[in-house]
Amino acid sequence: GAGVSQSPRYKVAKRGQDVALRCDPISGHVSLFWYQQALGQGPEFLTYFQNEAQLDKSGLPSDRFFAERPEGSVSTLKIQRTQQEDSAVYLCASSATGTTNEKLFFGSGTQLSVL
Amino acid sequence: GDSVTQMEGPVTLSEEAFLTINCTYTATGYPSLFWYVQYPGEGLQLLLKATKADDKGSNKGFEATYRKETTSFHLEKGSVQVSDSAVYFCALSDTGNQFYFGTGTSLTVIP
Repeated sequence: GAGVSQSPRYKVAKRGQDVALRCDPISGHVSLFWYQQALGQGPEFLTYFQNEAQLDKSGLPSDRFFAERPEGSVSTLKIQRTQQEDSAVYLCASSATGTTNEKLFFGSGTQLSVL
Repeated sequence: GDSVTQMEGPVTLSEEAFLTINCTYTATGYPSLFWYVQYPGEGLQLLLKATKADDKGSNKGFEATYRKETTSFHLEKGSVQVSDSAVYFCALSDTGNQFYFGTGTSLTVIP
């Protein structure tokens, strides 16, 4: 695709609901990242995939957060039993290969509001 | 651990003014350094980068020099335009493919 696509653009959830956020990276990109951006803050790393392998999930804040990329392309970030502190913009980014200093391409994000 | 400290905003400048946004970093290795920009309603996009000490990244009139001795990567532009109004994020990438971002600096340029 032309860029990284995320859906939905906005999501409102009641506390305790499960949500699933989708990311379509640029076609052929090997690396995929999820970030959480709270209001007025910079993006905070959540997890990283290289193809279908989740190489780093150290940033996931709790076991309620789960991410997958089963076929090495589309990724889903799932949050179970949402809490108010989960309210944030969730950003997905991809890069062409797995090198450290490579440019990231970001999606526009999913803004999650937990009521 | 690795981290980035960025000048707090918001910053308001008149058109054609000189811009500096300060950024310092802490890293255990030899990171690559980046400036990302987020225009209103859009996703973050790479503005410029530098991969080793003394490198200068430049793009769209912006530049930043990787200073290892002061662990800094300050963003500068000689003459800002209204279209430069955005949020600017300093970031570093070390081994392990993690990127660490600063908190962002909001810039508003007034005509």
